[in-house]
Amino acid sequence: QLQESGPGLVKPSEPLSLTCTVSGASISSYYWSWIRQPPGKGLEWIGYIYYSGITNYTPSLKSRVTISVDTSKNQFSLKLSSVTAADTAVYYCARHLGFCSGGDCRSSWFDPWGQGTLVTVSS
Amino acid sequence: QSVLTQPPSASGTPGQRVTISCSGSSSNIGTNTVNWYQQLPGTAPKLLIYSNNQRPSGVPDRFSGSKSGTSASLAISGLQSEDEADYYCAAWGDSLNGYVFGTGTKVTVL
Repeated sequence: QLQESGPGLVKPSEPLSLTCTVSGASISSYYWSWIRQPPGKGLEWIGYIYYSGITNYTPSLKSRVTISVDTSKNQFSLKLSSVTAADTAVYYCARHLGFCSGGDCRSSWFDPWGQGTLVTVSS
Repeated sequence: QSVLTQPPSASGTPGQRVTISCSGSSSNIGTNTVNWYQQLPGTAPKLLIYSNNQRPSGVPDRFSGSKSGTSASLAISGLQSEDEADYYCAAWGDSLNGYVFGTGTKVTVL
């Protein structure tokens, strides 16, 4: 089970920070992703992380995104800097199943997903 | 940002068969497997099909997936009212070095 948490409202130009708490599985056993969905729109993959620190980010957000992991708390986190209204979205965390190796997760899929948390960027 | 193209909508009456297409390129669907996700209204996406045509445990066998070349399809046989949802395809994009999702298809049961 995955549960996202964090502020629901962020001011423009400030950082967005979210945490995903994992229960029922060891965070050290899988790769983990963040995915977002603007209201009324489609899904966008943000990036993934492995407990060892391996990360991979989508190019369009790479300069503003950091995904980190805290194995002691079985959590992983998303930080998105300098947000604008275009970053308003429901943010989901998800586990990778299938095959990931050395940072390559092309043969994996997302299951399960967290319930999602809406983050609104507004002053 | 979606590079996988799906029809925006599809519909059918209960019991009918509905097919959703997902069109990509040689750098995504052409060389990587396709997964499908179902998003019921107001809920998080749920895995429906993985590795082109595999159903996770608990997914009814009326859902099936296929892939040919740079396109993939999701078929729903014996359409039911609870199948009314948004459906997304997804695959790894080699040029992006990351995941790409389809534009999404809203299925309506008439």
